[in-house]
Amino acid sequence: GIQVEQSPPDLILQEGANSTLRCNFSDSVNNLQWFHQNPWGQLINLFYIPSGTKQNGRLSATTVATERYSLLYISSSQTTDSGVYFCAGSGGYNKLIFGAGTRLAVHP
Amino acid sequence: GAGVSQTPSNKVTEKGKYVELRCDPISGHTALYWYRQSLGQGPEFLIYFQGTGAADDSGLPNDRFFAVRPEGSVSTLKIQRTERGDSAVYLCASSPIGGGANVLTFGAGSRLTVL
Repeated sequence: GIQVEQSPPDLILQEGANSTLRCNFSDSVNNLQWFHQNPWGQLINLFYIPSGTKQNGRLSATTVATERYSLLYISSSQTTDSGVYFCAGSGGYNKLIFGAGTRLAVHP
Repeated sequence: GAGVSQTPSNKVTEKGKYVELRCDPISGHTALYWYRQSLGQGPEFLIYFQGTGAADDSGLPNDRFFAVRPEGSVSTLKIQRTERGDSAVYLCASSPIGGGANVLTFGAGSRLTVL
């Protein structure tokens, strides 16, 4: 099955800093999504991005499908950005396979 | 409803007991997914429903786990003869139509602790 590798596993930032999170896939995926899990455990979809680039406020994501990776950019980080960021993709159109996540802590 | 609702939010049980976890998806969402998340890990796929039928149950770890969705809306995940290794957060998600090509909306999860 598809393997999803995320890096870095842990990240500590000072408020206002920028960061890039990476997700590599072992095989082509039909759909790719980024999620944020807040400290209370709620998973929120950030982007559905099988290819190309999307932006939503301070967050943007780029997927290079031919090279099987995706990047999530966080600019001007805030303490509310803390949590775990997951990427997920599927070989078919049903089950999303998640990576182990990047744990982000933003300090004031 | 406005979001995906999961009950109970917390469940503590003893080894060997039977447990049911309930998921109420967003109204009109035909696809429903169950995931399990262990501490420090990403969510792990268990089962996917399209309507009333289980379209993919390849993630269920063994025959102690079973899930139903009899009317194509609410789903129940059933765990028999619970083991300590079943302790995890069980997440439910729904999407408007079938397939991972749709954005999933997750519930807050049911935290199961098996003593």
